[in-house]
Amino acid sequence: ETGVTQTPRHLVMGMTNKKSLKCEQHLGHNAMYWYKQSAKKPLELMFVYSLEERVENNSVPSRFSPECPNSSHLFLHLHTLQPEDSALYLCASSLGGGADTQYFGPGTRLTVL
Amino acid sequence: DAKTTQPTSMDCAEGRAANLPCNHSTISGNEYVYWYRQIHSQGPQYIIHGLKNNETNEMASLIITEDRKSSTLILPHATLRDTAVYYCIVRVVEGTSGTYKYIFGTGTRLKVLA
Repeated sequence: ETGVTQTPRHLVMGMTNKKSLKCEQHLGHNAMYWYKQSAKKPLELMFVYSLEERVENNSVPSRFSPECPNSSHLFLHLHTLQPEDSALYLCASSLGGGADTQYFGPGTRLTVL
Repeated sequence: DAKTTQPTSMDCAEGRAANLPCNHSTISGNEYVYWYRQIHSQGPQYIIHGLKNNETNEMASLIITEDRKSSTLILPHATLRDTAVYYCIVRVVEGTSGTYKYIFGTGTRLKVLA
């Protein structure tokens, strides 16, 4: 247990569905991250939030929409996804600033049909 | 692109030390080296990090060369539960936002053998 939880753990959705991934951290951290891990590829950073403000968007398609309502919660809203978006989506958090060790959640395994 | 290179895979006998090398020849003076591991389909687990000096914690030791161009993660007594993919990461500062980024490579798949 790292103090970072993600729900759901598994999700199957059609290309026309809308779904959301949720991440919650219980560590008192100020920064939160979304990563994508496709089969046999390195983890790719998608979004970074610091103090609820998005500070980084790594050229992610608009069908992925993040939301950070407070420093403990992070969402990834999904709509009109493609089969190639099937992957493990990982959330992480860190204290922020120089003390920036990231702690990862268990991930959501997403399958797009 | 990743700033680190690691062997694709390694085997280690149970109870022996596992030494995992990493090259980061383009590392800058203020960039830390982090190690994580990922057991199949779980989230990466933090192991250790360092800047210049060697570091040790309850999980592992990190040896960084004096020129900082390479490092070695040492698991002193490997167990079957240490079988995982081990990632050596250089933490870089993102210039525009001042935030820190991890650039993941493909890691080393360590198999501990009984």
